Amino acid sequence: DAGVTQSPTHLIKTRGQHVTLRCSPISGHKSVSWYQQVLGQGPQFIFQYYEKEERGRGNFPDRFSARQFPNYSSELNVNALLLGDSALYLCASSQNEDLRPPYGYTFGSGTRLTVV
Amino acid sequence: TQLLEQSPQFLSIQEGENLTVYCNSSSVFSSLQWYRQEPGEGPVLLVTVVTGGEVKKLKRLTFQFGDARKDSSLHITAAQPGDTGLYLCAGARTGGFKTIFGAGTRLFVKA
Repeated sequence: DAGVTQSPTHLIKTRGQHVTLRCSPISGHKSVSWYQQVLGQGPQFIFQYYEKEERGRGNFPDRFSARQFPNYSSELNVNALLLGDSALYLCASSQNEDLRPPYGYTFGSGTRLTVV
Repeated sequence: TQLLEQSPQFLSIQEGENLTVYCNSSSVFSSLQWYRQEPGEGPVLLVTVVTGGEVKKLKRLTFQFGDARKDSSLHITAAQPGDTGLYLCAGARTGGFKTIFGAGTRLFVKA
């Protein structure tokens, strides 16, 4: 079975540009969460979607937006890119929305975004 | 600001040594998870603990959830080079959908 797949794996963008990152969850998983991981830090929560509805939003500016499609795949969009947006963007899927045990997140390998 | 504080931030030990890493918070969590992350990869779930005082063992790894569900520890016995990685704790609050991660403990085990 395929795990969580993210695309692209690497991306270089210029300040002010827009970027779209994509995530396909594990088959049967209805919840997708997005995290930003800056070098040397733990992942920071951006969004959670469950059944195509936004369930949670982290402390990120409105330049960050996301959506979940009927097939449960998801997109993360970032407008007006800043140098500080350079990070590893992780997508995590889960079977339920509140990570009840024994379930937890299954993460993709991430998209490495570099803003120059 | 990380609501989950992990210590130490970095640990370098010899193969065969034992070690403990800690995850502390002033908040109560309904569950706490430990992940291991290797360079260029996403975190991989090791364990979830939900009951105060709970202890779980995974081969040479022992995880404990504090009685008040505010802290946790991970103990590794006879560390091996394959244990090298970034160990992250993550907590979920009751009724909340946001799972919060600590900054991680970077472990390096020398052969």
